[in-house]
Amino acid sequence: GESVGLHLPTLSVQEGDNSIINCAYSNSASDYFIWYKQESGKGPQFIIDIRSNMDKRQGQRVTVLLNKTVKHLSLQIAATQPGDSAVYFCAERGTDSWGKLQFGAGTQVVVTP
Amino acid sequence: EAQVTQNPRYLITVTGKKLTVTCSQNMNHEYMSWYRQDPGLGLRQIYYSMNVEVTDKGDVPEGYKVSRKEKRNFPLILESPSPNQTSLYFCASSLTGASNEQFFGPGTRLTVL
Repeated sequence: GESVGLHLPTLSVQEGDNSIINCAYSNSASDYFIWYKQESGKGPQFIIDIRSNMDKRQGQRVTVLLNKTVKHLSLQIAATQPGDSAVYFCAERGTDSWGKLQFGAGTQVVVTP
Repeated sequence: EAQVTQNPRYLITVTGKKLTVTCSQNMNHEYMSWYRQDPGLGLRQIYYSMNVEVTDKGDVPEGYKVSRKEKRNFPLILESPSPNQTSLYFCASSLTGASNEQFFGPGTRLTVL
C-alpha cells in the first residue's frame, strides 16, 4: 500500500484514553468542516462533518467541536483504540464553490498499549 | 463491492512522456475529484467534476488535464510530466457535489525522473 512520508505533528495517546486532535482553519466563509482518517497505505476515509451554524456534533465515539470565534476545530475520540492510529485531516468547504474541498496538513495519531 | 479503483497503483516514468491515470467508481456517484498528497502539505485538489461533461479546476490544476465523458470514469492526464509532479495521487467520488462524504481510491504513486 501507499502512505506519505511524514513530517506531521504527532499525538501519542495511551490506549483507552481520550484523544483530542486540533485544527485551525483560515476561511471564515467555509460552510462545512469535515474530518477524515487515513490509515497507512490507504486512501482517506470520512469520519464526521459539522456545518458552520453548529458548535458541536457527536458520532460514534467521536465528537467534533467548532469555535468560529477563533477559527478552531477539534476532533475528540473517546476510549482510543489501536485501530485509531492514523493520520487525521480536517477539511473545509465553502458555499461559493461546492465542489472545492481544502485539506489541512494532518496530525499523526499513535496509540500506545 | 462499492469502491473507487485507480490504475496503475505505481508508475515510474520520465520527464515529458504522456501518461494517464484511470479512476473508476461503481456507486453511480455524480461527483468525482483528483487530489495529490505531498509530505507536510495534506491533500491538494487538482480537478473535480460535478457531473458528466462538467469539470472545474481545484487549487493545483497546472500540468494536468481531466475528462468526464462517462459517469463512472474520471481519468487524470499528464501531457508532459515533470519531476515536480512526483506525488501520491488519489481519486475520490461522492453522491453529489454537496456531499461531504467522499470515497477515496487506494492511491497511485507516481515518480517522474
